[in-house]
Amino acid sequence: QAVLTQPSSLSASPGASASLTCTLRSGINVGTYMIYWFQQKPGSPPQFLLNYRSDSDKKQGSGVPSRFSGSKDASANAGILLISGLQSEDEADYYCMMWHSSTWEFGGGTKLTVL
Amino acid sequence: QVQLVQSGAEVKKPGASVKVSCKASGYTFTSYDINWVRQATGQGLEWLGWMDPKNGNTGYARKFQGRVTMTRDTSINTAYMELSSLKSDDTAVYYCARNPAFTGDFEYWGQGALVTVSS
Repeated sequence: QAVLTQPSSLSASPGASASLTCTLRSGINVGTYMIYWFQQKPGSPPQFLLNYRSDSDKKQGSGVPSRFSGSKDASANAGILLISGLQSEDEADYYCMMWHSSTWEFGGGTKLTVL
Repeated sequence: QVQLVQSGAEVKKPGASVKVSCKASGYTFTSYDINWVRQATGQGLEWLGWMDPKNGNTGYARKFQGRVTMTRDTSINTAYMELSSLKSDDTAVYYCARNPAFTGDFEYWGQGALVTVSS
């Protein structure tokens, strides 16, 4: 079973909010981990969006709008990327990542469609 | 401005090796780690390993241990990733990315280098 699991796709309307989840494998508690989020558009390398461990331990990527934010859902054992006020330019693939057992582990990615 | 410029596309035969370079500019090369990540067409991101250019220390993903070697030449601010015993499923775009040590803030990425493995 993969360390990080993301839904393969998500659709949302312009102006709405989208919540992208990154679920940790059973037995790995999201509480202490820093979760990283990247956006990737076709033909381009990934772009660092933000990291989130807690409200007091997080970092926004340089130039990343504040409508991108991170959080956690402890009950679901998941990291969350929330995108508010969706714009057409937010249509992209989104990847989560964490450090586990001396390895940077990526989720499989979520393709976000804005329509 | 910070830039990571990678070498060009390569075509290799199964069993061969490939060495991809990543030339850094706009910052102190030895002050940040370099990580290597690959992506097969239409697939997700896969981490290969990291290197500290200051001392050459490395850490590799278990899947690639024994097949990957990461090195650097500090005189020309360039990092290298060599992958040996290539197989067709090694066909992918290989990226280098810069991050502060002990973080996953991969804030700067190279443009990617396509490696095609085909007989």
